[in-house]
Amino acid sequence: SQQGEEDPQALSIQEGENATMNCSYKTSINNLQWYRQNSGRGLVHLILIRSNEREKHSGRLRVTLDTSKKSSSLLITASRAADTASYFCATDTGRRALTFGSGTRLQVQP
Amino acid sequence: EAQVTQNPRYLITVTGKKLTVTCSQNMNHEYMSWYRQDPGLGLRQIYYSMNVEVTDKGDVPEGYKVSRKEKRNFPLILESPSPNQTSLYFCASSPWYQETQYFGPGTRLLVL
Repeated sequence: SQQGEEDPQALSIQEGENATMNCSYKTSINNLQWYRQNSGRGLVHLILIRSNEREKHSGRLRVTLDTSKKSSSLLITASRAADTASYFCATDTGRRALTFGSGTRLQVQP
Repeated sequence: EAQVTQNPRYLITVTGKKLTVTCSQNMNHEYMSWYRQDPGLGLRQIYYSMNVEVTDKGDVPEGYKVSRKEKRNFPLILESPSPNQTSLYFCASSPWYQETQYFGPGTRLLVL
């Protein structure tokens, strides 16, 4: 069964706008990770947030984690056309087996 | 260059014809894993390996085999492929001290 579910499934914005993607999960986790995938290519790790953290930043990325609601959000600020990709959250319950959601497809219009 | 490589990248085969997809990493990582990606389902883990000669089932292991005889290689074996194994397959690796994973470029498999 899927652990993470992303919302929305698809998002289209203009360059310069912010993009927010949400992820919900079902069981307790050690950490939650966000990955990016360009059109059928391999996934690239973006950011990891541990279960005892509430917010983390990396460049234009901001991730929040609410373990009481079992949810996380990924914010990309000042988006660029090159940010067009699919974004996946993945939960790690402690045995290194990442469980991925079905992803959010982000389209950034130039 | 540090990377995870997979071969072949694209494969068309017929039902029942045994095939192997190779995965190799040059980063001396202990952990390796195979995932399949299907539309609307995200990535699902097939098998993983914590180190040489140590493998375990993931969420969808049926119809697949793996082996880890060397640290750098983690081949995925489909002994008798079926059309429901048509998918995009990814290999990933990570060092023992790091939870994030490095993914290969993917292998697109079509079973007729």
